[in-house]
Amino acid sequence: GAGVSQSPRYKVAKRGQDVALRCDPISGHVSLFWYQQALGQGPEFLTYFQNEAQLDKSGLPSDRFFAERPEGSVSTLKIQRTQQEDSAVYLCASSLRDAPGEYFGPGTRLTVT
Amino acid sequence: AQSVAQPEDQVNVAEGNPLTVKCTYSVSGNPYLFWYVQYPNRGLQFLLKYITGDNLVKGSYGFEAEFNKSQTSFHLKKPSALVSDSALYFCAVRDPRMATGFQKLVFGTGTRLLVSP
Repeated sequence: GAGVSQSPRYKVAKRGQDVALRCDPISGHVSLFWYQQALGQGPEFLTYFQNEAQLDKSGLPSDRFFAERPEGSVSTLKIQRTQQEDSAVYLCASSLRDAPGEYFGPGTRLTVT
Repeated sequence: AQSVAQPEDQVNVAEGNPLTVKCTYSVSGNPYLFWYVQYPNRGLQFLLKYITGDNLVKGSYGFEAEFNKSQTSFHLKKPSALVSDSALYFCAVRDPRMATGFQKLVFGTGTRLLVSP
């Protein structure tokens, strides 16, 4: 079946621009996660949704980062006033409730120039 | 807090030889452990997981991992490496006892596996 999809796959933004990254989870998956993977590093947790509720946003690095999942399906990660340090691959993952495994999307590579 | 260590930045092995990619973890209690593989310009692909039961876990593409509680390790292994196994491998841990019921994955820094022909 269809996996987790993300768009765009690549995004180049000028410093100061706002960006929006989209994630389409696997149908029926209640849990949705966003991770940030800097170059040469492992993914780091950003935020977690259960349905439309954002239950944990402790990993968001600043108030410029905002995530939503208004209908409990598609999620958008928004970064305002992008900075060069925001350059990374942003990974989305989804899973069934209480299932301790995650399916990752291909990621969006954000480059801030 | 839980953490994962992958002590090797890179592992080199000749095709046909066995491979091991090391991972140690730090979690109170019984962890959930995972291995993922990442090919260039692609997302993470799930290989295998340990939740409970048999300490030897078999996963995708002929990979397996052995959970060793006394050594707090979860090394990834394959009896015979293929050139196509060359990729970046990540170990991850989740503490299932988090009070909120939500358990984020904590990843290691990754190990690059290079399999030479």
